[in-house]
Amino acid sequence: GESVGLHLPTLSVQEGDNSIINCAYSNSASDYFIWYKQESGKGPQFIIDIRSNMDKRQGQRVTVLLNKTVKHLSLQIAATQPGDSAVYFCADRIFNAGGTSYGKLTFGQGTILTVHP
Amino acid sequence: DTEVTQTPKHLVMGMTNKKSLKCEQHMGHRAMYWYKQKAKKPPELMFVYSYEKLSINESVPSRFSPECPNSSLLNLHLHALQPEDSALYLCASSQTIRSSYNEQFFGPGTRLTVL
Repeated sequence: GESVGLHLPTLSVQEGDNSIINCAYSNSASDYFIWYKQESGKGPQFIIDIRSNMDKRQGQRVTVLLNKTVKHLSLQIAATQPGDSAVYFCADRIFNAGGTSYGKLTFGQGTILTVHP
Repeated sequence: DTEVTQTPKHLVMGMTNKKSLKCEQHMGHRAMYWYKQKAKKPPELMFVYSYEKLSINESVPSRFSPECPNSSLLNLHLHALQPEDSALYLCASSQTIRSSYNEQFFGPGTRLTVL
């Protein structure tokens, strides 16, 4: 089964609010995590990523937090805008036993974010 | 150029047809991927190519046949598909499969309908 899952399938917020999307993963060998945004009819779009040796990474209006103790990942979007409405996927990568990655990302189920004007 | 392009955007085919999906990138990436995405589901990995060689086949049925003719192109040949194969087929690329950050850039996808 998938190693990555999401707590909430949908999230509705008002424009200007901050949004937090959560993700849980089960494999402690996961070394890399990535968030994608997918709008209707489009391919996933990279938002931000983080390696397991970090606990926080910031981008433009977005922050990813990683808590390895409880195997939890979150995406924070500041001042959410209607254009942020989309499905958000987290994904992880696991190095194999030999210490190399074959580039396989495993995606969580996704959270639908709806931003109301 | 940070774009992955896919053609066609839409494809309708019968179960006896043979068709191909095409993907192209000009970012110098040496890893390319095919994913399948059903409605309201996450992308599922099908194949990974690394330096034009097949690296991962996620137990995909043989009616899907990938091909990587060069470092910029990735094809997916389709033959004798089933209606349940109808989905959005996504292509992605990344620098390599072993880079510290493995950001994969996705194309817009091909919406496939099998009648």
